[in-house]
Amino acid sequence: DAMVIQNPRYQVTQFGKPVTLSCSQTLNHNVMYWYQQKSSQAPKLLFHYYDKDFNNEADTPDNFQSRRPNTSFCFLDIRSPGLGDAAMYLCATSREKGAGDSNQPQHFGDGTRLSIL
Amino acid sequence: AQKITQTQPGMFVQEKEAVTLDCTYDTSDPSYGLFWYKQPSSGEMIFLIYQGSYDQQNATEGRYSLNFQKARKSANLVISASQLGDSAMYFCAIAMYSGGGADGLTFGKGTHLIIQP
Repeated sequence: DAMVIQNPRYQVTQFGKPVTLSCSQTLNHNVMYWYQQKSSQAPKLLFHYYDKDFNNEADTPDNFQSRRPNTSFCFLDIRSPGLGDAAMYLCATSREKGAGDSNQPQHFGDGTRLSIL
Repeated sequence: AQKITQTQPGMFVQEKEAVTLDCTYDTSDPSYGLFWYKQPSSGEMIFLIYQGSYDQQNATEGRYSLNFQKARKSANLVISASQLGDSAMYFCAIAMYSGGGADGLTFGKGTHLIIQP
């Protein structure tokens, strides 16, 4: 049973046209993450939510934003996608932040592969 | 900032042989966790094994074991009796736990493992 669900699996959008990727989880985890993985590269953290607290990585472009309306859902919004934003976008969750209880792998969804025309 | 180095971009291994995937890390924080993930060509990230910085014993999960050498800052993954289904990208990652919790994973560049019959 899928526990972290990303929709859609493949997304095609036009250059400059806003796009939203979605992630839902059935694990009731407090933390949700978004990673960007370009072709043949390692995943790179964009931002994460700890409950309702949003944490942006310093080098995440302003073009990328996120929303978490409730515990189960988290969205990645790309306001004006450029060709360089074509990538796999991975959503992950973890029960808590690590202090005091560090044996908690992040659970990943299957990813959304975004193409820009 | 923390860093993960995987020095083997690709490896070919005969089926049923054991394989060791190298991972070294760099951090000055005492509290961290090390993870290995498998990413098949379909794109999903599959958690394999975890090692905490304070764990005294090397982690094992079925055919996977982690050779943790803290003084050398290495966390090599050992896969015993490799199978054709083990062919995939393998990522080593670190999460930092100081300062109240983990802010996501920092990944290495990965090793592309191919198991040959």
